[in-house]
Amino acid sequence: AQSVAQPEDQVNVAEGNPLTVKCTYSVSGNPYLFWYVQYPNRGLQFLLKYITGDNLVKGSYGFEAEFNKSQTSFHLKKPSALVSDSALYFCAVRDRGGATNKLIFGTGTLLAVQP
Amino acid sequence: EPEVTQTPSHQVTQMGQEVILRCVPISNHLYFYWYRQILGQKVEFLVSFYNNEISEKSEIFDDQFSVERPDGSNFTLKIRSTKLEDSAMYFCATRGGGGGNQPQHFGDGTRLSIL
Repeated sequence: AQSVAQPEDQVNVAEGNPLTVKCTYSVSGNPYLFWYVQYPNRGLQFLLKYITGDNLVKGSYGFEAEFNKSQTSFHLKKPSALVSDSALYFCAVRDRGGATNKLIFGTGTLLAVQP
Repeated sequence: EPEVTQTPSHQVTQMGQEVILRCVPISNHLYFYWYRQILGQKVEFLVSFYNNEISEKSEIFDDQFSVERPDGSNFTLKIRSTKLEDSAMYFCATRGGGGGNQPQHFGDGTRLSIL
């Protein structure tokens, strides 16, 4: 069965510093991986995806993620954090076993960027 | 940018009552999903809908739940007889064609509170 793990409930970083939010996955076959962000009282906003090709994927708001097949990881990164990046971040994998490409989510990581 | 719209934003209902949650998908999207997020927990798949029928459902989606797209625009989730444990945020998501690597777009959710 497909699964996603986000080992950190919360990540704290100072504004201007680089940030990393970790994600590891377990899938059979090639993974389709996604990152979403959730601001308070809002739905999930798509940030970026990895399907195939380049291991470094660039997405919205300056975020990028690095796919590492040997470590089964898909960590989210940003070179310089902003206070406005503070939100809940979810890693997800597409379920290749089902008929409809539903997403399987990790438990989420709360990113707190201090001014 | 087109958005998925959900109504109401907050629904308070007595246990045992029926509720209907509504979603207006992005206009050219073909695949529709419902997810839920119990407070403090991860986002869980409920059901997917394509071509006017359920494509896949989770074990959470029992006989008390139903979905339909009655007028070709609104996509609804009905809970026939609500239970306390149905209290959660319910998210509608939609996806266009072009394969499972297309991201799902989420609405802002309906917060369902069962008393």
